[in-house]
Amino acid sequence: EPEVTQTPSHQVTQMGQEVILRCVPISNHLYFYWYRQILGQKVEFLVSFYNNEISEKSEIFDDQFSVERPDGSNFTLKIRSTKLEDSAMYFCASTGGRGADTQYFGPGTRLTVL
Amino acid sequence: AQSVTQLGSHVSVSEGALVLLRCNYSSSVPPYLFWYVQYPNQGLQLLLKYTSAATLVKGINGFEAEFKKSETSFHLTKPSAHMSDAAEYFCAVSDSGGGADGLTFGKGTHLIIQP
Repeated sequence: EPEVTQTPSHQVTQMGQEVILRCVPISNHLYFYWYRQILGQKVEFLVSFYNNEISEKSEIFDDQFSVERPDGSNFTLKIRSTKLEDSAMYFCASTGGRGADTQYFGPGTRLTVL
Repeated sequence: AQSVTQLGSHVSVSEGALVLLRCNYSSSVPPYLFWYVQYPNQGLQLLLKYTSAATLVKGINGFEAEFKKSETSFHLTKPSAHMSDAAEYFCAVSDSGGGADGLTFGKGTHLIIQP
């Protein structure tokens, strides 16, 4: 069964450093998403991406975040200058369509900012 | 704005007993509702979803949920718990197509199965 994959599974970085989290969505899917879950808190929507541009973004997704689909298979989330509060589990998801279509989630990348 | 409330961060049931995980939502438009399960060190897996068809929705692993508009609820049930059901369960809502496509999640309920 097709699945969303994410790398790395765990990323440790120093505050102020740039990090790139990588995702490979399911191959025929068209919509891509990033979510994050701070330890002990709810899963929060960050951004959705369609047709090579951001479709929607939440208040959390400020100027330090960016997303890209560089090569038609990977979908990346970049954090330019990490802060301690960026420490969280980051989930990538993809779906074939909007609304009721199931979003398929990857296993997540745990980001630890020291 | 949408929101989801899951009552009980931890629920403990005996093996073979009824599982009931509660979810209440608020939405300004007819919602799409989802239950996801997360096993340790894994991603979120869809259990079931409500998309304005039948109000009683059956999902995988013997789970089902009933959409009750009057109560703004979408509680998840399973008649007989199994040890393998121990996991984190998330309720989520999406609007019907306009606005943000992202799901709004509840805080999750950790289901513990007692032998």
